[in-house]
Amino acid sequence: EAQVTQNPRYLITVTGKKLTVTCSQNMNHEYMSWYRQDPGLGLRQIYYSMNVEVTDKGDVPEGYKVSRKEKRNFPLILESPSPNQTSLYFCASSLLLTSGRSTDTQYFGPGTRLTVL
Amino acid sequence: AQKVTQAQTEISVVEKEDVTLDCVYETRDTTYYLFWYKQPPSGELVFLIRRNSFDEQNEISGRYSWNFQKSTSSFNFTITASQVVDSAVYFCALSETRATGGGADGLTFGKGTHLIIQP
Repeated sequence: EAQVTQNPRYLITVTGKKLTVTCSQNMNHEYMSWYRQDPGLGLRQIYYSMNVEVTDKGDVPEGYKVSRKEKRNFPLILESPSPNQTSLYFCASSLLLTSGRSTDTQYFGPGTRLTVL
Repeated sequence: AQKVTQAQTEISVVEKEDVTLDCVYETRDTTYYLFWYKQPPSGELVFLIRRNSFDEQNEISGRYSWNFQKSTSSFNFTITASQVVDSAVYFCALSETRATGGGADGLTFGKGTHLIIQP
């Protein structure tokens, strides 16, 4: 089954304790992306990756890191989480179109609900 | 900059009524894609439809239909004979094509419309 998986689904942690949210897709998609969803703000892109070893900032990258060592995996790293990073996080993947200048339909993982105390 | 506006924060209707969710977008690009996603109470994001900027044909899928009008920059979503299972938050989103340079823009989402279908 084609899917995007995320782990963990729920996480409660404390300020400053490093954490990693994993994301994996089995569709051989080049493009992967992380979004956060906050009440009243909708979804905003944090980071994206066009392919292995190619990553770039989205709209709200502060406080996050990513890596893309393998095509299927795109972990999101919070090295020193703070309460304002409490949010619902989604990973997404898609094919690239138009010589890499746009994306096809993005398929989303189930979400990770993170609470930072 | 691209922008997506869903002016209806919340809509409540009684089951079997028809309901239309509005989406208005702004873009300077001539090539772009529009999407609708559904987020049920369980929280996942479910893809519903993708439409490219060169295809203004309306689309119907069962009880769902979409009306794309470039002249008014709108991409509205109608549910006919609504059912309780349609209760969810619905997001409209826009994806542009970069004219130059590397990278591909992510989706720009509207803030969503919470649809409540009462039995």
